[in-house]
Amino acid sequence: ETGVTQTPRHLVMGMTNKKSLKCEQHLGHNAMYWYKQSAKKPLELMFVYSLEERVENNSVPSRFSPECPNSSHLFLHLHTLQPEDSALYLCASGGRGRGYTFGSGTRLTVV
Amino acid sequence: DQQVKQNSPSLSVQEGRISILNCDYTNSMFDYFLWYKKYPAEGPTFLISISSIKDKNEDGRFTVFLNKSAKHLSLHIVPSQPGDSAVYFCAASDGANSKLTFGKGITLSVRP
Repeated sequence: ETGVTQTPRHLVMGMTNKKSLKCEQHLGHNAMYWYKQSAKKPLELMFVYSLEERVENNSVPSRFSPECPNSSHLFLHLHTLQPEDSALYLCASGGRGRGYTFGSGTRLTVV
Repeated sequence: DQQVKQNSPSLSVQEGRISILNCDYTNSMFDYFLWYKKYPAEGPTFLISISSIKDKNEDGRFTVFLNKSAKHLSLHIVPSQPGDSAVYFCAASDGANSKLTFGKGITLSVRP
């Protein structure tokens, strides 16, 4: 257990489904991040939230919709995804210090 | 444009020998560097870090070296163990914010 909890660990969804990924941290960090990891690619930063406010959106398609209701929780709402969206989705939190704490990720498969 | 580059995708090393993982960066504003280790189907875990005011940081079998003039850092693992087999990501931040920029990662395989 790293201090950042992601659920579910695995998710299979059809292209017309709506699902949500959840991330929770109780480390007192003030920034939270969504990353996508596809095979043989760098970690791709998707969204950054600082003090519950979205401060960065790296050209992510609108079928991915983040939500940060408070400093401890972060969601990624998924809608009408494509098979190429299948990947490991990682949540991380970071404080005023250095470095992130990552969750274990959600392995998403879009069929 | 990749600001953090790990140019070798993989490295294979015999157990007991030294593993040297390299990382180059282009942004001269980076002042803090980290290495993360990742097993399949898990999130990356923090391994070791170094501030730009230092040129070496050691933690057990892991040592990170920083050459600021060459914008290069390396992670040394000695002796390497089979359990070290994983993907290693180099990351950097510029101090103005806490956002990290990651490299593509390198897959280390330690042969028994």
